[in-house]
Amino acid sequence: GAVVSQHPSWVICKSGTSVKIECRSLDFQATTMFWYRQFPKQSLMLMATSNEGSKATYEQGVEKDKFLINHASLTLSTLTVTSAHPEDSSFYICSAPSGRNNNEQFFGPGTRLTVL
Amino acid sequence: QKEVEQNSGPLSVPEGAIASLNCTYSDRGSQSFFWYRQYSGKSPELIMSIYSNGDKEDGRFTAQLNKASQYVSLLIRDSQPSDSATYLCAVKSRSNYQLIWGAGTKLIIKP
Repeated sequence: GAVVSQHPSWVICKSGTSVKIECRSLDFQATTMFWYRQFPKQSLMLMATSNEGSKATYEQGVEKDKFLINHASLTLSTLTVTSAHPEDSSFYICSAPSGRNNNEQFFGPGTRLTVL
Repeated sequence: QKEVEQNSGPLSVPEGAIASLNCTYSDRGSQSFFWYRQYSGKSPELIMSIYSNGDKEDGRFTAQLNKASQYVSLLIRDSQPSDSATYLCAVKSRSNYQLIWGAGTKLIIKP
């Protein structure tokens, strides 16, 4: 399957600071990438769809000014959590479609964010 | 009604037995169906995709799709303790690349 990387794998920051998470498709190009958030013992929640060359599409209830998404190239999307607060502590995972007709989504290993 | 439904479990299966995981979906026009495995603290990993009615086998895994009844299942033969994980069913949205996710079934394989 296709390989997606994320960096960093974990980050601890102070409340009020901003954190940038990178998502890269390593062996394929992705015009679209997805950003998910997952709280402990809960299911995946789609936050936004990142589109290369255009604005991201945010799901209902997700603040676009707080979660800044930039799809800088066909292999890189970044998520910046601005002015992070403890309630933003979560597991952030990106994915990108590939495979047959771009039907299959491949996930990065995730970034665990802890805001103190 | 949720768009993709799974029994949350936990489903407990003895080692060596067959584990059967089920998923139903509401959009009759859905064409692509996926099973992901997620270990605790890790991201989901694609294990099976199925697009046509019937069975699709890959090693110890068999995915079954019945579009008329709007369900998709995953069978794991000769279950191993390493199969213990949460299994997520996902259905591709007709309108874009988005996946509609079930809440997942926690599977426990008891030695």
